[in-house]
Amino acid sequence: DQQVKQNSPSLSVQEGRISILNCDYTNSMFDYFLWYKKYPAEGPTFLISISSIKDKNEDGRFTVFLNKSAKHLSLHIVPSQPGDSAVYFCAALLRGSNYKLTFGKGTLLTVNP
Amino acid sequence: EPEVTQTPSHQVTQMGQEVILRCVPISNHLYFYWYRQILGQKVEFLVSFYNNEISEKSEIFDDQFSVERPDGSNFTLKIRSTKLEDSAMYFCASSVMGSSNQPQHFGDGTRLSIL
Repeated sequence: DQQVKQNSPSLSVQEGRISILNCDYTNSMFDYFLWYKKYPAEGPTFLISISSIKDKNEDGRFTVFLNKSAKHLSLHIVPSQPGDSAVYFCAALLRGSNYKLTFGKGTLLTVNP
Repeated sequence: EPEVTQTPSHQVTQMGQEVILRCVPISNHLYFYWYRQILGQKVEFLVSFYNNEISEKSEIFDDQFSVERPDGSNFTLKIRSTKLEDSAMYFCASSVMGSSNQPQHFGDGTRLSIL
């Protein structure tokens, strides 16, 4: 079951630069997307979300872009900070279901000082 | 900031035994969820619960699993007869409402190890 795919298992960036995390999906019935961040030994923490009726949502250093035609979304972190080092999960909700989050496998982001 | 709390943080159980994982959702939240993550795999949805009823469940959530809200604060996941493949991190989550713009908030998980 690969409905939500994060093809990069890891990403390394320098402090102060932009981090871009990518996510692809296959199910066109997904209509809401979320990004979660996870530190070791902790649960996923909600970061930012976007509805399928939008193509961009911004919250401070975090911006999510959605390209519905390409079934692709990305999370931009600018500027990146060492505290951003974590696993980032892309997740999606199906139209008509507000309960079942479908997750990607995650991308480990390392921000180097 | 209010948070979802889960106990225990690590549970070791013999195969075939019953196990109960406990969660205290955020106090004003009405929707509750269980997810699991087998080592090296994705976080997978198990079940959602609202108004003392299961609102949605996955194919993983078979007859060996059950959920309960025994009182006004706790939300439990019971596995009746554990199997080796039940070894995983189990995350509880809650949300204010069951709507897409009300994100689910997760606890830190219970690591379940079946021997």
